Amino acid sequence: EVVLTQSPGTLSLSPGERATLSCRASQSVTSNYLAWYQHKPGQAPRLLIYGASNRVTGIPDRFSGSGSGTDFSLTINRLEPEDFAVYYCQRYGGSPPYTFGQGTKLEIK
Amino acid sequence: QVQLVQSGVEVKKPGVSVKVSCKASGYTLNTYGISWVRQAPGQGLEYMGWISTYNGDTNYAQKFQGRVTMTTDTSTNTAYMELRSLRSDDTAVYYCARAGAVAGTRWFDPWGQGTLVTVSS
Repeated sequence: EVVLTQSPGTLSLSPGERATLSCRASQSVTSNYLAWYQHKPGQAPRLLIYGASNRVTGIPDRFSGSGSGTDFSLTINRLEPEDFAVYYCQRYGGSPPYTFGQGTKLEIK
Repeated sequence: QVQLVQSGVEVKKPGVSVKVSCKASGYTLNTYGISWVRQAPGQGLEYMGWISTYNGDTNYAQKFQGRVTMTTDTSTNTAYMELRSLRSDDTAVYYCARAGAVAGTRWFDPWGQGTLVTVSS
């Protein structure tokens, strides 16, 4: 089973700053089938990025994804108050299970 | 507008089963697969499994094999997830999400609103 490890566990930043979230896989991710989701309390997870770097229509361009193989990252430029949430990476390709990382909580400093 | 709407809150006693529904609108159910994910209190997202809405093929996470059954009813555009022999640590919010028609080919989007299942004696 491919294990995804996200870091840091918690990231404390102020609005306007840049956030860089990391996701490392225990094995190479097939065809970069790696997604990022934003999750707020009481809401459904929201897809931000798929294919490691493809931003979903309607997601602000301050969100960007990069990486390949085993190392991926999500960058959020110029943090807005609504960006503070928990972020998960997920491997959705290759053999199941399609596991999630343990999450990074982005909190207001 | 593509949307998944799940059934409401469930409170169950240990040992019984729960069946959560997920009704799709805005697209035809059998053109995509459905995955199920849960989140226990204070925990992260946990993948439970996937079902082909075309032919009923499934793959279940090993942790749930033998206790979970995923099904679909294309006549009502609805997917179901049944979890048996409930334990207190099955207390969680359960989500359905649209996935690939073939397992492992597509991200999860959109998601249902979630169904809280509480297991308590």
